[in-house]
Amino acid sequence: SQQGEEDPQALSIQEGENATMNCSYKTSINNLQWYRQNSGRGLVHLILIRSNEREKHSGRLRVTLDTSKKSSSLLITASRAADTASYFCATLRLNTDKLIFGTGTRLQVFP
Amino acid sequence: GAGVSQSPSNKVTEKGKDVELRCDPISGHTALYWYRQRLGQGLEFLIYFQGNSAPDKSGLPSDRFSAERTGESVSTLTIQRTQQEDSAVYLCASSPSGTGVGNTIYFGEGSWLTVV
Repeated sequence: SQQGEEDPQALSIQEGENATMNCSYKTSINNLQWYRQNSGRGLVHLILIRSNEREKHSGRLRVTLDTSKKSSSLLITASRAADTASYFCATLRLNTDKLIFGTGTRLQVFP
Repeated sequence: GAGVSQSPSNKVTEKGKDVELRCDPISGHTALYWYRQRLGQGLEFLIYFQGNSAPDKSGLPSDRFSAERTGESVSTLTIQRTQQEDSAVYLCASSPSGTGVGNTIYFGEGSWLTVV
C-alpha cells in the first residue's frame, strides 16, 4: 500500500479532554506533515516536522516524530467541539516531492 | 486567485462516459498534485507536476486516467470510460516549489464525481 497507517481510525472525546492520534509509515522521509479535513472536502495544513526534529508545538497542537520507529503522534490539548474533523498525516519520502497520506483518524469532540 | 480552484464541484456521469476535472493552482505555484479520496478513506496519490519536469504519474490507477498541465497553470484530469469504482472526490493541491524544501501544499475543495 502506498499509504501510511493511522490509529485510531475513530476517536470520540468530551470537550476539554486531550486527543492523541498516531501515524506509522514505511519508508525514510524528509518531513512529516499533519492535515485536517472538514466534511470530506479540502484539507488544511496544520504542522510540519522535519526528519531531524523530535517534537514541535503550534498552539494547542503538539507533534512528535520517532524516525527509528517510523511513527508520529499528534496531540490536541483542551479539545473543542470545533476540532471535530478528520486528521491525516502525510510523509514526504526522501529524494521525492511525492506527499503520501495516511488513512486518517476521525475525531469527534462532544460539547 | 487566492486559493486553489477546482471545477466542477460536483459531477454525475453515466458509466462509460468521459469526464474532465479542472484545477487552477495558486498563482506562482510550480508544483501541482492530484489525489483521489473514496468515501471514508484516505487520499490516494495520482499524479504530480513540477515546473517543466516530466510528471510523476506513478499513482494513476489505469490507462483510463490521464492528466495534463499547461505550463505552471491550469491542470486537467481526464477519466475515460468511467466506471462506478471511479466515484470519489478528486482533490487538487499546489505548492510553491514542491514539498522537498519544506513547503506545505494547499488544497482545493475537490470535485465530487459520481458514476451511475
